[in-house]
Amino acid sequence: DAGVIQSPRHEVTEMGQEVTLRCKPISGHNSLFWYRQTMMRGLELLIYFNNNVPIDDSGMPEDRFSAKMPNASFSTLKIQPSEPRDSAVYFCASSLKGPSYQETQYFGPGTRLLVL
Amino acid sequence: GQSLEQPSEVTAVEGAIVQINCTYQTSGFYGLSWYQQHDGGAPTFLSYNALDGLEETGRFSSFLSRSDSYGYLLLQELQMKDSASYFCAVRSYNQGGKLIFGQGTELSVKP
Repeated sequence: DAGVIQSPRHEVTEMGQEVTLRCKPISGHNSLFWYRQTMMRGLELLIYFNNNVPIDDSGMPEDRFSAKMPNASFSTLKIQPSEPRDSAVYFCASSLKGPSYQETQYFGPGTRLLVL
Repeated sequence: GQSLEQPSEVTAVEGAIVQINCTYQTSGFYGLSWYQQHDGGAPTFLSYNALDGLEETGRFSSFLSRSDSYGYLLLQELQMKDSASYFCAVRSYNQGGKLIFGQGTELSVKP
């Protein structure tokens, strides 16, 4: 398996522009997570989906952020308009959620976003 | 609310043993996970404890005491490649089972 795939790996954009991050989870996994990592705030969960349905978006910072999962093999995280404080590494992770809570999350390589 | 505390930095020498502690506060605690992240890389799963006691996986072991809300990651026979950040994360059924990560401990292994 190729693992979790994210694109782009690096993104540099100007303040006010729209940014779209993409994620392809591991085939067969039924849960998908979007995280943001910064030095100041650490690793934060933004939103997660179970069976393509958003379960918890309490970590989404504000209305400028939105996420979709139109099918089991694709998800997007969109920032519109982007601001310099959105600069971070954005990770997508997927897991196979079973009857127990012992589930391993597999992280993608991340998208390094810089908003100028 | 939930909170996790772990040391920000730990330094050790090759071949040594190092213990990274994690204390947590959460309701509905289900289990404690450990993830490793090399600089510039993605977090990768190391271990998970739901019950009290020690779980061993090669050179790495993880311990949990539910009564003390405490766990640790033990790394033995340290190698240079173990230099990385280590995150503890709690899973709480009161939070829908999502993982809440600590701030991470940066481990530096010196020759």
